[in-house]
Amino acid sequence: QKEVEQNSGPLSVPEGAIASLNCTYSDRVSQSFFWYRQYSGKSPELIMSIYSNGDKEDGRFTAQLNKASQYVSLLIRDSQPSDSATYLCAVNHVSNSGYALNFGKGTSLLVTP
Amino acid sequence: DAGITQSPRYKITETGRQVTLMCHQTWSHSYMFWYRQDLGHGLRLIYYSAAADITDKGEVPDGYVVSRSKTENFPLTLESATRSQTSVYFCASSESGGGDTQYFGPGTRLTVL
Repeated sequence: QKEVEQNSGPLSVPEGAIASLNCTYSDRVSQSFFWYRQYSGKSPELIMSIYSNGDKEDGRFTAQLNKASQYVSLLIRDSQPSDSATYLCAVNHVSNSGYALNFGKGTSLLVTP
Repeated sequence: DAGITQSPRYKITETGRQVTLMCHQTWSHSYMFWYRQDLGHGLRLIYYSAAADITDKGEVPDGYVVSRSKTENFPLTLESATRSQTSVYFCASSESGGGDTQYFGPGTRLTVL
């Protein structure tokens, strides 16, 4: 089973600070990487996808990918209390049975006013 | 409304009973997925389907059956429910396989007594 690892947290940051969420993966041939946000009792929703090495920015969110190190991260600038949620890292892999996304267990983020 | 829906949203059943969870999407996405989410395990793939009449096992398929006679529907059946199948079940869909984004339904909370 291909692994996706995240610190479970909770990661606590003050409002206005930068939150840094990290993820490592074991499948060297993975090509697609996703960050989902999940509020308590709700379904995961996509924040960012990234496919190439480097940074990808979307508003207050920046995803960073380093395939050589098998590492993907999510930075949240100017963190707001509404960002408090669990963040799931997902990595695709292709197996004998086809395509799948592997999810990490998630990092819980708490933004304190 | 367009999107992906699941029914029922909440279900309580007894050990040994058959239960079917429904998933319907209006995007005409080719791929559909069933996940279960449990504390300590994160999201785990049960089954997925690349198209109508094409299904394949995920990480935890035992005790579950799926079918996909129409592109828009992907029901999940627990043939003889066990307490270990108490979980939150999410259906998801994506336009294509490979590295495409998956969109999640609202989830079904299933309790097996």
